[in-house]
Amino acid sequence: EVQLVESGGGLVPPGGSLRLSCVASGITFTTYWMHWVRQAPGKGLVWVARINIEGSSISYADSVKGRFTISRDNDKNTLYLQMNSLRAEDTAVYYCAGVAATWFDPWGQGTLVTVSS
Amino acid sequence: QSALTQPASVSGSPGQSITISCTGSSSDVGGYNFVSWYQQHPGKVPKLMIYDVSRRPSGISDRFSGSKSGNTASLTISGLQAEDEADYYCSSYTSSRTYVFGTGTEVTVL
Repeated sequence: EVQLVESGGGLVPPGGSLRLSCVASGITFTTYWMHWVRQAPGKGLVWVARINIEGSSISYADSVKGRFTISRDNDKNTLYLQMNSLRAEDTAVYYCAGVAATWFDPWGQGTLVTVSS
Repeated sequence: QSALTQPASVSGSPGQSITISCTGSSSDVGGYNFVSWYQQHPGKVPKLMIYDVSRRPSGISDRFSGSKSGNTASLTISGLQAEDEADYYCSSYTSSRTYVFGTGTEVTVL
């Protein structure tokens, strides 16, 4: 069964840090570029970051550039998102998703990050 | 990295057809045939419905179809059913080698 399982979400004060993880199973992790996509409560999907298979090519949305760091450990089939200097507007469900060609599939179930004092 | 533009809501009666538009620019929708569409029911994970503009994944009903003209892509749902009521998002690859999503469309079955 194909599964992406995120963890690491929670409540954090403004300016704080959080590290999200996404463990993949049922897929050949090293054939997927991996992405983080977020969705604020009641809002739409927003692309956040992506990393290529080797981890040598990385891109970020302007809204998180310089604060978030995406990485992966292919030996552990795991994707990470280190989030620093968190702001209230970073509050969202964070999904990890794989892209083997040009579309997002599979998706994880999401993990909620709440930035509030 | 502006979001692709979709209508906020579209509605139709059971059995009717509806079309959702997704407008971008020559740097995304118009420049690549890499538009995909996702269905999201409340509280659920997005589900791939269409990829590469008009291709359907295995298991997706042929009532769902996609097309593109210039900088605008479209998703058509034919024979509208109650279970189609959901939010729909388009996505496109961009010239920055990133992706952008649409603003989302709420589909209501009357």
